[in-house]
Amino acid sequence: KNEVEQSPQNLTAQEGEFITINCSYSVGISALHWLQQHPGGGIVSLFMLSSGKKKHGRLIATINIQEKHSSLHITASHPRDSAVYICAVGGSQGNLIFGKGTKLSVKP
Amino acid sequence: DADVTQTPRNRITKTGKRIMLECSQTKGHDRMYWYRQDPGLGLQLIYYSFDVKDINKGEISDGYSVSRQAQAKFSLSLESAIPNQTALYFCATSGGPGTATDTQYFGPGTRLTVL
Repeated sequence: KNEVEQSPQNLTAQEGEFITINCSYSVGISALHWLQQHPGGGIVSLFMLSSGKKKHGRLIATINIQEKHSSLHITASHPRDSAVYICAVGGSQGNLIFGKGTKLSVKP
Repeated sequence: DADVTQTPRNRITKTGKRIMLECSQTKGHDRMYWYRQDPGLGLQLIYYSFDVKDINKGEISDGYSVSRQAQAKFSLSLESAIPNQTALYFCATSGGPGTATDTQYFGPGTRLTVL
Protein backbone atom coordinates (compact mmCIF):
# COMPACT_ATOMS: atom_id res chain seq x y z
CA LYS A 1 0.00 0.00 0.00
CA ASN A 2 1.36 3.40 -0.92
CA GLU A 3 2.03 5.67 2.02
CA VAL A 4 0.44 8.62 0.20
CA GLU A 5 -2.71 8.07 -1.82
CA GLN A 6 -4.32 10.68 -4.04
CA SER A 7 -7.71 10.73 -5.69
CA PRO A 8 -8.77 11.07 -8.35
CA GLN A 9 -5.87 10.14 -10.62
CA ASN A 10 -7.34 12.12 -13.49
CA LEU A 11 -9.87 14.92 -13.43
CA THR A 12 -11.49 16.86 -16.25
CA ALA A 13 -13.50 19.96 -15.42
CA GLN A 14 -15.20 22.81 -17.21
CA GLU A 15 -13.92 26.30 -16.71
CA GLY A 16 -15.48 27.85 -13.63
CA GLU A 17 -16.07 24.62 -11.75
CA PHE A 18 -15.05 24.05 -8.15
CA ILE A 19 -12.41 21.33 -7.94
CA THR A 20 -11.36 19.10 -5.06
CA ILE A 21 -8.35 16.80 -4.98
CA ASN A 22 -7.91 14.48 -2.03
CA CYS A 23 -4.86 13.06 -0.29
CA SER A 24 -4.68 10.40 2.40
CA TYR A 25 -1.51 9.29 4.13
CA SER A 26 -0.58 6.48 6.47
CA VAL A 27 2.64 7.73 8.06
CA GLY A 28 3.44 10.23 10.75
CA ILE A 29 4.37 13.52 9.19
CA SER A 30 6.05 16.79 9.99
CA ALA A 31 4.10 18.64 7.33
CA LEU A 32 2.05 18.07 4.20
CA HIS A 33 2.91 19.70 0.91
CA TRP A 34 0.88 20.39 -2.19
CA LEU A 35 2.91 20.82 -5.36
CA GLN A 36 2.01 21.73 -8.91
CA GLN A 37 3.80 20.27 -11.90
CA HIS A 38 3.35 22.21 -15.09
CA PRO A 39 3.02 20.50 -18.48
CA GLY A 40 6.62 21.49 -19.17
CA GLY A 41 7.75 19.49 -16.14
CA GLY A 42 8.66 22.19 -13.61
CA ILE A 43 7.50 21.68 -10.02
CA VAL A 44 6.47 24.48 -7.70
CA SER A 45 5.35 24.34 -4.10
CA LEU A 46 1.81 25.58 -3.54
CA PHE A 47 1.30 24.96 0.17
CA MET A 48 3.01 23.52 3.18
CA LEU A 49 0.71 22.93 6.13
CA SER A 50 0.69 21.00 9.37
CA SER A 51 -2.77 21.96 10.62
CA GLY A 52 -5.94 23.77 9.63
CA LYS A 53 -6.32 25.60 6.38
CA LYS A 54 -4.36 27.85 4.06
CA LYS A 55 -5.57 30.00 1.18
CA HIS A 56 -3.70 31.57 -1.70
CA GLY A 57 -5.77 33.24 -4.36
CA ARG A 58 -8.21 30.66 -5.72
CA LEU A 59 -6.43 27.77 -4.05
CA ILE A 60 -7.35 26.43 -0.63
CA ALA A 61 -5.64 23.58 1.21
CA THR A 62 -6.98 21.88 4.31
CA ILE A 63 -5.63 19.15 6.52
CA ASN A 64 -7.21 16.92 9.18
CA ILE A 65 -4.38 15.45 11.23
CA GLN A 66 -6.60 13.00 13.12
CA GLU A 67 -8.01 11.55 9.91
CA LYS A 68 -4.67 11.81 8.06
CA HIS A 69 -6.36 13.51 5.16
CA SER A 70 -5.85 16.68 3.16
CA SER A 71 -7.76 18.35 0.36
CA LEU A 72 -6.77 20.89 -2.26
CA HIS A 73 -9.60 23.02 -3.61
CA ILE A 74 -9.56 25.25 -6.66
CA THR A 75 -12.37 27.77 -6.95
CA ALA A 76 -13.49 29.20 -10.29
CA SER A 77 -11.17 26.90 -12.21
CA HIS A 78 -9.44 28.14 -15.34
CA PRO A 79 -7.64 26.37 -18.20
CA ARG A 80 -4.34 27.69 -16.89
CA ASP A 81 -4.92 25.55 -13.76
CA SER A 82 -4.37 22.46 -15.94
CA ALA A 83 -1.43 20.64 -14.41
CA VAL A 84 -0.52 17.67 -12.26
CA TYR A 85 -1.13 18.30 -8.57
CA ILE A 86 1.03 16.31 -6.21
CA CYS A 87 0.55 15.66 -2.52
CA ALA A 88 3.65 14.92 -0.48
CA VAL A 89 4.28 14.35 3.20
CA GLY A 90 7.40 15.20 5.12
CA GLY A 91 9.29 12.08 6.18
CA SER A 92 11.36 11.68 9.30
CA GLN A 93 14.57 12.51 7.40
CA GLY A 94 13.29 15.77 5.99
CA ASN A 95 12.69 14.20 2.61
CA LEU A 96 9.29 14.13 0.95
CA ILE A 97 7.16 11.04 0.28
CA PHE A 98 5.07 11.67 -2.81
CA GLY A 99 1.69 10.62 -4.06
CA LYS A 100 1.41 9.72 -7.74
CA GLY A 101 -0.31 12.96 -8.60
CA THR A 102 -3.67 14.05 -9.97
CA LYS A 103 -3.75 15.19 -13.57
CA LEU A 104 -6.22 18.06 -13.92
CA SER A 105 -7.49 19.30 -17.23
CA VAL A 106 -9.76 22.34 -17.28
CA LYS A 107 -11.66 22.85 -20.52
CA PRO A 108 -12.73 26.31 -21.70
CA ASP B 1 17.99 34.04 -11.93
CA ALA B 2 16.50 30.72 -10.81
CA ASP B 3 17.12 29.68 -7.22
CA VAL B 4 17.84 26.06 -8.16
CA THR B 5 19.51 25.24 -11.46
CA GLN B 6 20.24 21.90 -13.08
CA THR B 7 22.59 21.04 -15.92
CA PRO B 8 22.16 19.61 -18.44
CA ARG B 9 18.43 20.03 -19.06
CA ASN B 10 18.34 17.19 -21.55
CA ARG B 11 20.79 14.38 -22.18
CA ILE B 12 20.79 11.36 -24.43
CA THR B 13 23.45 8.77 -23.74
CA LYS B 14 24.28 5.14 -24.40
CA THR B 15 24.23 2.14 -22.12
CA GLY B 16 27.41 1.84 -20.08
CA LYS B 17 28.38 5.50 -20.20
CA ARG B 18 29.09 7.51 -17.04
CA ILE B 19 26.85 10.52 -16.65
CA MET B 20 26.91 13.41 -14.19
CA LEU B 21 23.96 15.66 -13.46
CA GLU B 22 24.71 18.87 -11.64
CA CYS B 23 22.63 20.98 -9.30
CA SER B 24 23.35 24.42 -7.88
CA GLN B 25 21.28 26.54 -5.50
CA THR B 26 21.36 30.12 -4.30
CA LYS B 27 18.83 29.63 -1.47
CA GLY B 28 21.50 29.16 1.17
CA HIS B 29 19.82 25.91 2.22
CA ASP B 30 21.73 23.11 3.89
CA ARG B 31 19.49 20.29 2.66
CA MET B 32 19.59 19.05 -0.91
CA TYR B 33 17.83 16.12 -2.57
CA TRP B 34 17.86 14.15 -5.81
CA TYR B 35 14.60 12.63 -7.03
CA ARG B 36 13.64 10.74 -10.16
CA GLN B 37 10.23 10.72 -11.78
CA ASP B 38 8.94 7.94 -14.03
CA PRO B 39 5.65 8.10 -15.94
CA GLY B 40 2.76 6.90 -13.75
CA LEU B 41 4.89 6.88 -10.61
CA GLY B 42 5.43 9.47 -7.94
CA LEU B 43 8.80 11.07 -7.44
CA GLN B 44 11.24 8.78 -5.68
CA LEU B 45 14.15 9.80 -3.52
CA ILE B 46 17.61 8.78 -4.77
CA TYR B 47 19.99 10.54 -2.34
CA TYR B 48 19.83 13.40 0.11
CA SER B 49 22.33 15.54 1.94
CA PHE B 50 21.90 17.58 5.10
CA ASP B 51 25.22 19.34 4.75
CA VAL B 52 28.54 18.95 2.97
CA LYS B 53 29.66 16.10 5.23
CA ASP B 54 26.34 14.30 5.44
CA ILE B 55 25.17 12.11 2.53
CA ASN B 56 22.35 9.59 2.80
CA LYS B 57 20.86 6.96 0.52
CA GLY B 58 17.24 7.25 -0.46
CA GLU B 59 14.83 4.54 -1.53
CA ILE B 60 16.34 3.92 -4.98
CA SER B 61 20.07 4.64 -4.67
CA ASP B 62 21.41 1.54 -6.47
CA GLY B 63 23.29 2.50 -9.63
CA TYR B 64 23.73 6.10 -8.50
CA SER B 65 26.29 8.06 -6.52
CA VAL B 66 26.44 11.67 -5.36
CA SER B 67 28.91 14.35 -4.40
CA ARG B 68 28.25 17.43 -2.27
CA GLN B 69 31.05 19.70 -3.40
CA ALA B 70 29.86 22.72 -1.44
CA GLN B 71 26.74 23.89 0.35
CA ALA B 72 25.43 25.13 -2.97
CA LYS B 73 26.34 22.18 -5.18
CA PHE B 74 25.08 18.59 -5.25
CA SER B 75 25.90 16.30 -8.17
CA LEU B 76 24.35 12.99 -9.15
CA SER B 77 26.33 10.40 -11.11
CA LEU B 78 25.24 7.34 -12.99
CA GLU B 79 28.36 5.18 -12.99
CA SER B 80 27.24 2.95 -15.86
CA ALA B 81 23.96 4.10 -17.32
CA ILE B 82 21.27 1.55 -18.22
CA PRO B 83 18.02 2.04 -20.14
CA ASN B 84 15.76 1.74 -17.08
CA GLN B 85 17.46 4.86 -15.70
CA THR B 86 15.69 6.82 -18.41
CA ALA B 87 13.62 9.30 -16.40
CA LEU B 88 13.14 12.92 -15.37
CA TYR B 89 15.53 13.88 -12.57
CA PHE B 90 14.88 16.68 -10.11
CA CYS B 91 17.13 18.36 -7.61
CA ALA B 92 15.50 20.12 -4.64
CA THR B 93 16.56 22.10 -1.59
CA SER B 94 14.99 22.95 1.76
CA GLY B 95 15.83 24.43 5.10
CA GLY B 96 14.58 21.31 6.86
CA PRO B 97 11.67 20.36 9.15
CA GLY B 98 10.73 22.83 11.79
CA THR B 99 12.28 25.71 9.95
CA ALA B 100 10.53 28.51 8.21
CA THR B 101 12.17 27.35 5.01
CA ASP B 102 10.96 23.74 5.05
CA THR B 103 9.28 24.33 1.70
CA GLN B 104 11.13 22.40 -0.97
CA TYR B 105 12.38 24.29 -3.98
CA PHE B 106 12.81 22.27 -7.14
CA GLY B 107 15.13 22.67 -10.05
CA PRO B 108 13.70 22.59 -13.59
CA GLY B 109 14.54 18.94 -14.09
CA THR B 110 16.90 16.98 -16.32
CA ARG B 111 15.39 14.66 -18.90
CA LEU B 112 17.77 11.72 -19.31
CA THR B 113 17.43 9.11 -22.01
CA VAL B 114 19.65 6.02 -21.98
CA LEU B 115 19.70 4.13 -25.24
